[in-house]
Amino acid sequence: GENVEQHPSTLSVQEGDSAVIKCTYSDSASNYFPWYKQELGKRPQLIIDIRSNVGEKKDQRIAVTLNKTAKHFSLHITETQPEDSAVYFCAEGVPAAGNKLTFGGGTRVLVKP
Amino acid sequence: SAVISQKPSRDICQRGTSLTIQCQVDSQVTMMFWYRQQPGQSLTLIATANQGSEATYESGFVIDKFPISRPNLTFSTLTVSNMSPEDSSIYLCSTGLAGGPDNEQFFGPGTRLTVL
Repeated sequence: GENVEQHPSTLSVQEGDSAVIKCTYSDSASNYFPWYKQELGKRPQLIIDIRSNVGEKKDQRIAVTLNKTAKHFSLHITETQPEDSAVYFCAEGVPAAGNKLTFGGGTRVLVKP
Repeated sequence: SAVISQKPSRDICQRGTSLTIQCQVDSQVTMMFWYRQQPGQSLTLIATANQGSEATYESGFVIDKFPISRPNLTFSTLTVSNMSPEDSSIYLCSTGLAGGPDNEQFFGPGTRLTVL
């Protein structure tokens, strides 16, 4: 079945530095790769996503890259701020299989002021 | 994105009892899903709630334990039956927007369940 590995599980960065989270997946049919941010006690919020026909997507300070050959994708946060502190989840989906998402294990990001 | 609400937001229940969680969306959506998030863990898909037919359950989840209803395109319920402390989790519904390239899923606020 589908499997998504996410690394690292925790990440501590200094404010202003960059943070990178990496995910690998196993299902070659996957073609949708969203990233969610979950603050303590709140619901996961979709922050960016990428589809398999694109190698990179950027939205202000966040960007996602996708390497379909190697089956991995990454989230990049630049100029980190304390409000970026949260748990981040990657996921993969196969829209043709009903839009089901399989989530990675999560990365707890702490931005130190 | 759609506005998604869940009721109750939290509950404390005794083992052996059942709890029904409601998920309401402010617009018609094709897909609705139910996830479980155990304390400090990631999200695990329980089932896809299909409108007008039986839900599709993921491996490890069964209808007798987690019966689901989806009477229309804006509403679904998940029941956690015969609860045990291991069922203590956050339960979240999510929706997938209808068709096309926009396959984003948005989550409800979650229901925090504690079983004593």
